[in-house]
Amino acid sequence: AQSVTQPDIHITVSEGASLELRCNYSYGATPYLFWYVQSPGQGLQLLLKYFSGDTLVQGIKGFEAEFKRSQSSFNLRKPSVHWSDAAEYFCAVGGRTGGGNKLTFGTGTQLKVEL
Amino acid sequence: DTAVSQTPKYLVTQMGNDKSIKCEQNLGHDTMYWYKQDSKKFLKIMFSYNNKELIINETVPNRFSPKSPDKAHLNLHINSLELGDSAVYFCASSQQTYGELFFGEGSRLTVL
Repeated sequence: AQSVTQPDIHITVSEGASLELRCNYSYGATPYLFWYVQSPGQGLQLLLKYFSGDTLVQGIKGFEAEFKRSQSSFNLRKPSVHWSDAAEYFCAVGGRTGGGNKLTFGTGTQLKVEL
Repeated sequence: DTAVSQTPKYLVTQMGNDKSIKCEQNLGHDTMYWYKQDSKKFLKIMFSYNNKELIINETVPNRFSPKSPDKAHLNLHINSLELGDSAVYFCASSQQTYGELFFGEGSRLTVL
């Protein structure tokens, strides 16, 4: 069964500091990996995705993530956090299976930004 | 122009009532989904339709009945509402049966 672990429930960083949010996944085949962001009262917005190819992927809002197959990880990074980045971040795993697109989400990491 | 839109955004109702949530997408996608987000923000898939055909039906009480009149619409009807049904329900769509999902803004259901 596929699963996603986001070990950090809450993270607080100062504005301008770097950020890394951790994500570990379990998937029986080639995974498709995603990071979504959810602001309060809003839906989920896709930050970036990995399907294949270059293991370092760039996303919107200055975010990037690196796929490490050996570690089953897909950590999200940003070199300098802005106050507007405060939100809930979800990592998700899915794949190209015959059973339909069952994206499995992690439990989320809530990011707080101190000014 | 909203890509995935859900109505209503908020729904407050009594236990035992029946309610519906509607979803429409204008992205031309073939696949649509319902996800449930509980009070701890955990997201779980409920249903998925591809071209009006049900392809994913997770372990959901049969009080929940999805209906897809066409590939741009996916509605969710809930009978005999219970307290535990209180959650945010998200509609989403994708171009194919895999890949990234595009989410609506959610419908917050509160059962009293």
